[in-house]
Amino acid sequence: QKEVEQDPGPLSVPEGAIVSLNCTYSNSAFQYFMWYRQYSRKGPELLMYTYSSGNKEDGRFTAQVDKSSKYISLFIRDSQPSDSATYLCAMSWANTGNQFYFGTGTSLTVIP
Amino acid sequence: GAVVSQHPSWVICKSGTSVKIECRSLDFQATTMFWYRQFPKQSLMLMATSNEGSKATYEQGVEKDKFLINHASLTLSTLTVTSAHPEDSSFYICSAHRTVSGNTIYFGEGSWLTVV
Repeated sequence: QKEVEQDPGPLSVPEGAIVSLNCTYSNSAFQYFMWYRQYSRKGPELLMYTYSSGNKEDGRFTAQVDKSSKYISLFIRDSQPSDSATYLCAMSWANTGNQFYFGTGTSLTVIP
Repeated sequence: GAVVSQHPSWVICKSGTSVKIECRSLDFQATTMFWYRQFPKQSLMLMATSNEGSKATYEQGVEKDKFLINHASLTLSTLTVTSAHPEDSSFYICSAHRTVSGNTIYFGEGSWLTVV
């Protein structure tokens, strides 16, 4: 079983839709959770960073962590064509952990 | 957010030559940096973990003599592709580990290597 599972998609939605992206994980020691956005032919960009459980909101983006279910989500409200990209989840252990575990990425296309 | 700069963005080299790619964390110190390779429409593949002042740790199947990694300072790691061949053509990405105010990594913009 992989440490982190992410549905690769592709996911296609109309402009203005709410997008839900998800990852599940198996290691209960993970404490730090990240979402990255990667445009074609570019390096990934950190979108959201969350420590432990709970929600975090930044503009149109909301990250949720449910440690009891080992499940994290990224919601995008009022999706725009510029949101079309691959979204990667990543997670790590606490404190000195310098190992990061990535999902395979979900490809999202927002249709105008 | 934190900035990681990667240079060059694009490089074309002749088969048999060596190419160096630089990764710099511009506004934080990074004891650890990571190097990845990514093929079109595929996920990131971790090549090696670079630790400042010590030897890099390579993932299984990655030739350490082929992909030389040096992490000489807390803000700079370099990847040298030695005796490059066309099969080494790929997108190479670095990331830097930031431990201040959390535990996360920031990626460089990536470097496209074409070996002709």
